[in-house]
Amino acid sequence: EIVLTQSPGTLSLSPGERATLSCRASQYVRSRYLAWYQEKPGQAPRLLIYGASSRATGIPDRFSGSGSGTDFTLTISRLEPEDSAVYYCQQYGSSPCSFGQGTKLEIK
Amino acid sequence: QLQLQESGPGLVKPSETLSLTCTVSGGSISGSDYYWGWLRQPPGKPLEWIGSVYYRGGTYYSPSLKSRVTISVDTFQNQFSLKFNSVTAADTAVYYCARDDGNRVFDHWGQGTLVTVSS
Repeated sequence: EIVLTQSPGTLSLSPGERATLSCRASQYVRSRYLAWYQEKPGQAPRLLIYGASSRATGIPDRFSGSGSGTDFTLTISRLEPEDSAVYYCQQYGSSPCSFGQGTKLEIK
Repeated sequence: QLQLQESGPGLVKPSETLSLTCTVSGGSISGSDYYWGWLRQPPGKPLEWIGSVYYRGGTYYSPSLKSRVTISVDTFQNQFSLKFNSVTAADTAVYYCARDDGNRVFDHWGQGTLVTVSS
């Protein structure tokens, strides 16, 4: 099973800044099959990015994904207070799919 | 808008069977080529995929959980269900149901339900 390691564990930034979240895989992720999700307390998780860089329906272009192989990045530009959440990466190129432990983003 | 809602007991005794149901509204389980999945997140641990079911009955399970899990679908009720037998305290988690695009990308999720395994 592929192990995903996310960094940093917690990120504290101000509105308007840019957040860079990292996801590193223990093995090559086939075909860039990497997704990102956002989870806020009391809400259902939301799919942000799939295929490493494709935005899901309704996701603003402030959210962008990049990377390939074993290193992937989620970038959130022009941070807004509503972006405060936990962000998870997931690989689905190898079975079983697996998730990272999450990065908590705090907006000051 | 598609919505999913988990339901079931919040407390299960060790060695018993955990049973949860996911009710889908705003769309039909059998209306398109999606799978329907269960995931969980134990306290302090990453999300874990449990398994996914197709409305015609095909199922895929995580190898590590396969021996204890059954996922089924009820197209008439527009629901799908999870049964997890011989539970232990390690099965305490928030359980989520979600729509699976077939590649294990989960594009709609329920809010999750906490299930505690304790006597």
